[in-house]
Amino acid sequence: KAGVTQTPRYLIKTRGQQVTLSCSPISGHRSVSWYQQTPGQGLQFLFEYFSETQRNKGNFPGRFSGRQFSNSRSEMNVSTLELGDSALYLCASSWDTPSSGNTIYFGEGSWLTVV
Amino acid sequence: GENVEQHPSTLSVQEGDSAVIKCTYSDSASNYFPWYKQELGKGPQLIIDIRSNVGEKKDQRIAVTLNKTAKHFSLHITETQPEDSAVYFCAASILRNTGFQKLVFGTGTRLLVSP
Repeated sequence: KAGVTQTPRYLIKTRGQQVTLSCSPISGHRSVSWYQQTPGQGLQFLFEYFSETQRNKGNFPGRFSGRQFSNSRSEMNVSTLELGDSALYLCASSWDTPSSGNTIYFGEGSWLTVV
Repeated sequence: GENVEQHPSTLSVQEGDSAVIKCTYSDSASNYFPWYKQELGKGPQLIIDIRSNVGEKKDQRIAVTLNKTAKHFSLHITETQPEDSAVYFCAASILRNTGFQKLVFGTGTRLLVSP
């Protein structure tokens, strides 16, 4: 069974540019969430999608956005990149049903470097 | 909002020793507590989780205990092996009937197991 797949794994962008990261959840998982990981701030929740709807959003500026498609695949976008956006961006998926336990599984992440 | 504190930040043990990592949470409504292991260059991997209706859970060499009154939970690794070396994160979350959950992570513990 394939895990959570994230692309690209590594990318370098210039300040002011925008970036789009992609995530394919585990087959059958309907909830997709995104986290940012940095040495200084640790793991922080960005947002979560279910059935193409954003259900909750973390405390990040509007430059960070996302969406989910009908096949549960998700993308996140960061516009007007800043140096501080350099981080590991992690996608996670879960069944999102109480009976299944809602266990959250993470992908390997996308390493973004802003120069 | 929820806040999770994790100690120690680094832990060095000899192979075969036990390792204990402790976390405290602030929101008494939190009812789901997963632990993740993150190896260099990889995403967090779920190793064990516990729900608030259970005081202890064990899976081979790994165990987690939960004290709801004191709002703290701990990870216990027995008979440590060099391959246990990694960064371990605790997290807390509120599981709702709607299924959505946002994980709030601790700051991580770097475990080093020396042969």
